[in-house]
Amino acid sequence: ILNVEQSPQSLHVQEGDSTNFTCSFPSSNFYALHWYRWETAKSPEALFVMTLNGDEKKKGRISATLNTKEGYSYLYIKGSQPEDSATYLCASLNTGGFKTIFGAGTRLFVKA
Amino acid sequence: KAGVTQTPRYLIKTRGQQVTLSCSPISGHRSVSWYQQTPGQGLQFLFEYFSETQRNKGNFPGRFSGRQFSNSRSEMNVSTLELGDSALYLCASSERGAGSNEQFFGPGTRLTVL
Repeated sequence: ILNVEQSPQSLHVQEGDSTNFTCSFPSSNFYALHWYRWETAKSPEALFVMTLNGDEKKKGRISATLNTKEGYSYLYIKGSQPEDSATYLCASLNTGGFKTIFGAGTRLFVKA
Repeated sequence: KAGVTQTPRYLIKTRGQQVTLSCSPISGHRSVSWYQQTPGQGLQFLFEYFSETQRNKGNFPGRFSGRQFSNSRSEMNVSTLELGDSALYLCASSERGAGSNEQFFGPGTRLTVL
């Protein structure tokens, strides 16, 4: 994989549903993987910075896992709330230049 | 602590002109990164400055340049503007670098090129 790919592109869930998204990134020369939440009319907000294979991070109802060997990360949201509606972006950095490459994002809509 | 600030928030220029955008990082942060957001290309990395030195650079033409001052404030310059440069320009600051450290984004500068 040369680019960072996120799936699905968009997701509509009901309040209370749990959901997850996928971020696939180049596994060679991996350095770090960032997750951001970007709400409309606001700035991107950092959720997690992950660097170690097998890493799991949690912030409230949101958690993320990282597999650097196969080049993917999952973001989980437990019990989605309307305020979770946003675009979730992942960004990968590798040691070949430390250029940040962003995925296109997963747009989450949570209906009350 | 005050957050990341960017000025101006909105800007309208015409083709061929040049523009300078400014970013003031969170106090104590030495790294400033710049990004371009367009509907077609998504969010793309422009460059990162750390302690007044450009540390990393994305795949943008030489018309895009930047600098960082001793107080960590950063400016980004785009010369000979093209229509395709119309975008939201975001800067983000972090304590020690964008790699393995959390980044804090500013509100962005919306540039329109006519």
